[in-house]
Amino acid sequence: EIVLTQSPATLSLSPGERATLSCRASQSISIYLAWYQQKPGQAPRLLIYDASYRATGIPARFSGSGSGTDFTLTISSLEPEDFAVYYCQQRSNWPLTFGPGTKVDIK
Amino acid sequence: EVQLVESGGGLIQPGGSLRLSCAAPGFIVSSNYMSWVRQAPGKGLEWVSVIYRDGRINYADSVKGRFTISRDNSKNTLYLQMNSLRADDTAVYYCARSGDEWYFDLWGRGTLVTVSS
Repeated sequence: EIVLTQSPATLSLSPGERATLSCRASQSISIYLAWYQQKPGQAPRLLIYDASYRATGIPARFSGSGSGTDFTLTISSLEPEDFAVYYCQQRSNWPLTFGPGTKVDIK
Repeated sequence: EVQLVESGGGLIQPGGSLRLSCAAPGFIVSSNYMSWVRQAPGKGLEWVSVIYRDGRINYADSVKGRFTISRDNSKNTLYLQMNSLRADDTAVYYCARSGDEWYFDLWGRGTLVTVSS
């Protein structure tokens, strides 16, 4: 099973700041990684797939990069609605696995 | 509107059984890969099971032999039969759709299963 590790666990930032979230895989997963956003009481929402492609309707301030074992989600300028928990997910090997999440909260 | 609507959750004693349902107005369940993903209270996401378009099935090791995924094409509904429930099965259970890329592009709102005596 591929283990995904996310860092930091919590990121405290102010609106307008840049957020950089990391996801590391226990073995190479090529580009087969997605990022999801989850707000309290809501289901996750797909943001990025195949490491760098924005899902339908996702604002351009969200971008993804990386390949192999190291991936990054960047939010260029935080909007109030962006404070949430972010999960990465790999689809390279079964079972599909998720990272433990990074919480982006308001500083 | 394309959506997923789960139902069937509740409080159940350890060792008991429960069946979750997921209705899918707006699209055809059998034309997609449909999964169950769960989230224990305050925890992260865990993929549980998938049914492929061709009917093949896969399970996480944590539920293999206890849970059964199925679908009823005439009702356009996905199911998860959960037997021999344990306290660590307590979670919100989401049904989720994925395409050929195996990313989840549509999620339901989830249904809470609490296993406790």
